[in-house]
Amino acid sequence: DGGITQSPKYLFRKEGQNVTLSCEQNLNHDAMYWYRQDPGQGLRLIYYSQIVNDFQKGDIAEGYSVSREKKESFPLTVTSAQKNPTAFYLCASSPPPGTGSYEQYFGPGTRLTVT
Amino acid sequence: QKEVEQNSGPLSVPEGAIASLNCTYSDRVSQSFFWYRQYSGKSPELIMSIYSNGDKEDGRFTAQLNKASQYVSLLIRDSQPSDSATYLCASRGEGVTGGFKTIFGAGTRLFVKA
Repeated sequence: DGGITQSPKYLFRKEGQNVTLSCEQNLNHDAMYWYRQDPGQGLRLIYYSQIVNDFQKGDIAEGYSVSREKKESFPLTVTSAQKNPTAFYLCASSPPPGTGSYEQYFGPGTRLTVT
Repeated sequence: QKEVEQNSGPLSVPEGAIASLNCTYSDRVSQSFFWYRQYSGKSPELIMSIYSNGDKEDGRFTAQLNKASQYVSLLIRDSQPSDSATYLCASRGEGVTGGFKTIFGAGTRLFVKA
């Protein structure tokens, strides 16, 4: 089955620790995205990547870092510099350019709690 | 004006009625539009995409795009309690630092009363 996987589903960390959230897709999509969602709020873009070895900051990149070494993988690190890291983190991907399809497809999300 | 705007709701409709969800957009987004459904605690699920002016139907869902008035809507016919969710309107726009990104509205909460 093709899809996007995120692990773990729930993650608990102590304040001051860095934590890495996993995102893998086997849809052969070029572009991948990370969003943050707080309770009752919309999606906010953290980072996105159009191709391997390239990524751009989104609207709230401070305190986060990413890498894109493989097409299938786009891990997100939440660093200790992120002031309010507790949130629901969503990874998404979209088809290659030229397909005429621009929809994004989401993984199941990781709920991070930092205490 | 925000790039994609939605009324946060909640919108409440009785079971069996038509639910109408609306979204307006600015000139800063492209002409590709998407509707996502998000149940509480879950990730967004794509319902429909629409790229051309007019209506697009898929089962109980109809997306409508009016480029002249810069709005896009989603109609849900024969609404069911299982349709109760937050509906996100989205469009494609250029990223400030390069590439394209999807711009989401804040979402409209829909409640369908049994």
